[in-house]
Amino acid sequence: NAGVTQTPKFRILKIGQSMTLQCTQDMNHNYMYWYRQDPGMGLKLIYYSVGAGITDKGEVPNGYNVSRSTTEDFPLRLELAAPSQTSVYFCASRLANQPQHFGDGTRLSIL
Amino acid sequence: GNSVTQMEGPVTLSEEAFLTINCTYTATGYPSLFWYVQYPGEGLQLLLKATKADDKGSNKGFEATYRKETTSFHLEKGSVQVSDSAVYFCALSDGSGNTPLVFGKGTRLSVIA
Repeated sequence: NAGVTQTPKFRILKIGQSMTLQCTQDMNHNYMYWYRQDPGMGLKLIYYSVGAGITDKGEVPNGYNVSRSTTEDFPLRLELAAPSQTSVYFCASRLANQPQHFGDGTRLSIL
Repeated sequence: GNSVTQMEGPVTLSEEAFLTINCTYTATGYPSLFWYVQYPGEGLQLLLKATKADDKGSNKGFEATYRKETTSFHLEKGSVQVSDSAVYFCALSDGSGNTPLVFGKGTRLSVIA
């Protein structure tokens, strides 16, 4: 039972590069979320999805894009990486009114 | 809107001390309440939950009681261990289940031997 799987675990990008953070879950959860966690800080919601084909902005969506073509996958895209996007990114999923399950995170540094 | 307020950290305790981390919430309807724990270098894990008033969630010696009259969900443990050192997050899910969980800012706990 894999749960929520995030790849890669670590990545270093140069300013202006783009990349996609992958997230997949095998629990048939309809709700999926992307958060960022800056050092010593709490979680900030970037984007979320209530089902395939439906996405919505969270608290800090600027500089990011998402898509949800399948129930299982919810990739997060950074188009033009900036130093302010250096953070740890967490993907999560759940069923309605149930606890969220989190992935192990992707540690991203932009230099 | 819904919100969660946690006590500011960091909290430093000696091993076997009693722990309380305060959490209060603002919500309409009948939310579900959660405590998550994040160990160093890891993601968040569900620690315990309560889905209705007066429910007590418990796990690994931690407890929290859903108090509707005081809109609180304080986390307690009678005797902390060094291995309990982590960041603890209080969170709320509204009754509809359609909106994302609302998280508190987290409280860092350090337990020293």
